[in-house]
Amino acid sequence: GAVVSQHPSRVICKSGTSVKIECRSLDFQATTMFWYRQFPKQSLMLMATSNEGSKATYEQGVEKDKFLINHASLTLSTLTVTSAHPEDSSFYICSACNPLAGENYNEQFFGPGTRLTVL
Amino acid sequence: QQQVKQSPQSLIVQKGGISIINCAYENTAFDYFPWYQQFPGKGPALLIAIRPDVSEKKEGRFTISFNKSAKQFSLHIMDSQPGDSATYFCAPSPNAGKSTFGDGTTLTVKP
Repeated sequence: GAVVSQHPSRVICKSGTSVKIECRSLDFQATTMFWYRQFPKQSLMLMATSNEGSKATYEQGVEKDKFLINHASLTLSTLTVTSAHPEDSSFYICSACNPLAGENYNEQFFGPGTRLTVL
Repeated sequence: QQQVKQSPQSLIVQKGGISIINCAYENTAFDYFPWYQQFPGKGPALLIAIRPDVSEKKEGRFTISFNKSAKQFSLHIMDSQPGDSATYFCAPSPNAGKSTFGDGTTLTVKP
């Protein structure tokens, strides 16, 4: 299957700093990537849909000025958590769809996740 | 309004037993019905998926059953193994649209 990477896998930062998380599709071009947040023992919560070359679409309740998303190329999307606070501590996961995947074009290939801890 | 209801929340099965997880949905626009498997500290991975034009799909020990009229689909894991212990999510989506994740089922397979 297709491979999606995330970097970093783990980050610890002080309150008030900004953190950038990268999501890359390694062997396919992804016109659409998704960003999720997952709290312990909970489901994945979609934060935003990232479209290459256009503005991201944010889910209701997600602050677009706090969670900046850039999808500058067909293989890279970035999520920047600005002025992070302890309540932003979570597991952030990206996914990408391969539009050339035949009947499984809906299949989402997930990255390994980034554990963010804000002190 | 909760669009996707997954049950049970947790499941304990003996090795060799059958694990069954159910997913009920409301959105009739859904046309892709996947099950994802997630291990602790990892991202989810597709386990098996079905389109609404078939009622059942089997891949090895994993079977997905789909009931369009009841708006339900289920995951059956035959001959469950300790390595199957993980959290499972249903996440139906409409054509090329975003997925709606269920709350997840934590499966524990006892040796």
